[in-house]
Amino acid sequence: GAGVSQSPRYKVAKRGQDVALRCDPISGHVSLFWYQQALGQGPEFLTYFQNEAQLDKSGLPSDRFFAERPEGSVSTLKIQRTQQEDSAVYLCASSRPSPEKLFFGSGTQLSVL
Amino acid sequence: SQQGEEDPQALSIQEGENATMNCSYKTSINNLQWYRQNSGRGLVHLILIRSNEREKHSGRLRVTLDTSKKSSSLLITASRAADTASYFCATDRQGAQKLVFGQGTRLTINP
Repeated sequence: GAGVSQSPRYKVAKRGQDVALRCDPISGHVSLFWYQQALGQGPEFLTYFQNEAQLDKSGLPSDRFFAERPEGSVSTLKIQRTQQEDSAVYLCASSRPSPEKLFFGSGTQLSVL
Repeated sequence: SQQGEEDPQALSIQEGENATMNCSYKTSINNLQWYRQNSGRGLVHLILIRSNEREKHSGRLRVTLDTSKKSSSLLITASRAADTASYFCATDRQGAQKLVFGQGTRLTINP
């Protein structure tokens, strides 16, 4: 597609449920990033992939968060045993090898009840 | 944790006026970028300024960078209602791939 696609657009989960968020980056973009954005705040870095390799996962808040990009294209962010504090918008972005310009998806808004 | 801090947190002006937003950061940087985010949408890249540049223009946008003060400003001239959005600065460091974003400025343009 022409842009970064994220699904689902909205996700409501009960506390303790596992969720999986999908990101389809722009074709040919080597780099893929996940960010978490709380209401009224700036995006906070979660993790970064170059092709299929996860080169930086320093922003993942706990071991309940797991991300993968097995074939170097589509990526999935999985959150296990969701908690209320996980409620946020999860943004995916892709770029060419350098981080000079990120292309963002519209995000997945996760609400944990 | 956030690298940058935007100032002001919120700004409301009349259509046609100029809007100035400021960003301060803490560590040395490679590049500084500005992004816009409309409500409920992803971020859109506006402009990039490198650490060895002092000023850059793109259409109605003017960005300045003062590395000695670790600060940048974004000026939007002749504002339009469509400029209503949140604006974020983002920095990256030499050898690091990730962008670190500030808290953002919410800009409202009143018709």
